[in-house]
Formats: sequence, C-alpha cells, structure tokens
Amino acid sequence: GDSVTQMEGPVTLSEEAFLTINCTYTATGYPSLFWYVQYPGEGLQLLLKATKADDKGSNKGFEATYRKETTSFHLEKGSVQVSDSAVYFCALSSNQAGTALIFGKGTTLSVSS
Amino acid sequence: EPEVTQTPSHQVTQMGQEVILRCVPISNHLYFYWYRQILGQKVEFLVSFYNNEISEKSEIFDDQFSVERPDGSNFTLKIRSTKLEDSAMYFCASSRWDLNTEAFFGQGTRLTVV
Repeated sequence: GDSVTQMEGPVTLSEEAFLTINCTYTATGYPSLFWYVQYPGEGLQLLLKATKADDKGSNKGFEATYRKETTSFHLEKGSVQVSDSAVYFCALSSNQAGTALIFGKGTTLSVSS
Repeated sequence: EPEVTQTPSHQVTQMGQEVILRCVPISNHLYFYWYRQILGQKVEFLVSFYNNEISEKSEIFDDQFSVERPDGSNFTLKIRSTKLEDSAMYFCASSRWDLNTEAFFGQGTRLTVV
C-alpha cells in the first residue's frame, strides 16, 4: 500500500542554519503531497502542499518540490528560527474526495539561539 | 479564524470503559476525519465521514469504534470497550469537499487507558 518515509529525528540546529528534512513516498497513481507542522501543544497545521509532479509548495520560508522521478518531497528552509521548533510530518493522499492522509512518523526539529 | 475544536484535551479511563471523544468541525466543511497517534508512532487514519455516513475506514476502525454526527455540529468518536492499546492522541479533522483543499486539524485528545 501507499506509504511515507521520513528521516528520523530529532534534528537539532542553530538559528539561521539550513534545514532539510527528507521525505520519500510509495504510491500508486499520482498522489498529492503535504507537509504538516505541529507546534508544541497545538494541532497539526498544513505547512505546504503540491498536487502534481514538479510543483513547488512554499510557505513561511519553507519549500518542497514534488519529484516524481525520485518519489521525494524534501522540506527545506534556508535559515531556521527558534520559532520553527516543532514536529514536521510529511503526508500523501490520493486525489479522490474524502480519502485519508497517509503520514510519515514525523521529524522533531529543535532550533537553538 | 475558524478552527476545529476537540474536547476533552485529556481523558483517563479504565480498561473496558466506553469513551466518547468530541469534535466540532469547521461549520461549512463537509468531510470529517479521525486520526490517532500512538506515542512515538505514525499518525494513522481511522475513518472519514461524509453526508452522514462513513466514506472510508482503516482496518484499525473495528467494531469497537463508531462515529456519529448527532446534531449537525458535533462529530464524535466512540470507543465501546477501551483497551490499553487504545491509549493515543486522537485528532479530528475536517475539510470543505476534498482533502486537497486542506484538512484542518484539532489540537487532539490524549486518551490514556489504565
């Protein structure tokens, strides 16, 4: 079945460092891809998404490009802030209404000043 | 900004007891979902609900689980006879018509079965 694999955490960075969190997927067809973020004590929030190959999702300085040839959707940010400390989840869904999100395990990012 | 709200934030229950987790989705949303996350593991899909019926469910969602939209605003998840392994964070989500329009998640209910 469909699945998402994320790099294991935690990831610990200093402020202004470059961030990459790897995500690869296995899916039949052409899924949509998502990054969700969970800040401490809060629910899951959509960070960015891409619905077809070569699309780039971006938000709050974060970017991810849908790479069909490598089945990847790596999350990047050029300069992280302390406020980016959170758990990041890669997810996919098929393009049918009401279908489930399939999540990766999540990667904890901790940024220190 | 509209949000999905879940109550309670934390529930402790004895094994074998019934629990009801409550969610108020965003008012103009049509699809509703429950997910759970056992500590240290993936967020797992349980069930989706549309037009007053289940549209999809996972193999986790067995006869012990049920969902209901009793009054047009609440969306509940009932676990009939809780087991230790039901201890997890349960997330409710809703979306306008399909997942690609963004699913909005609640803050979660932490269920602890003792």
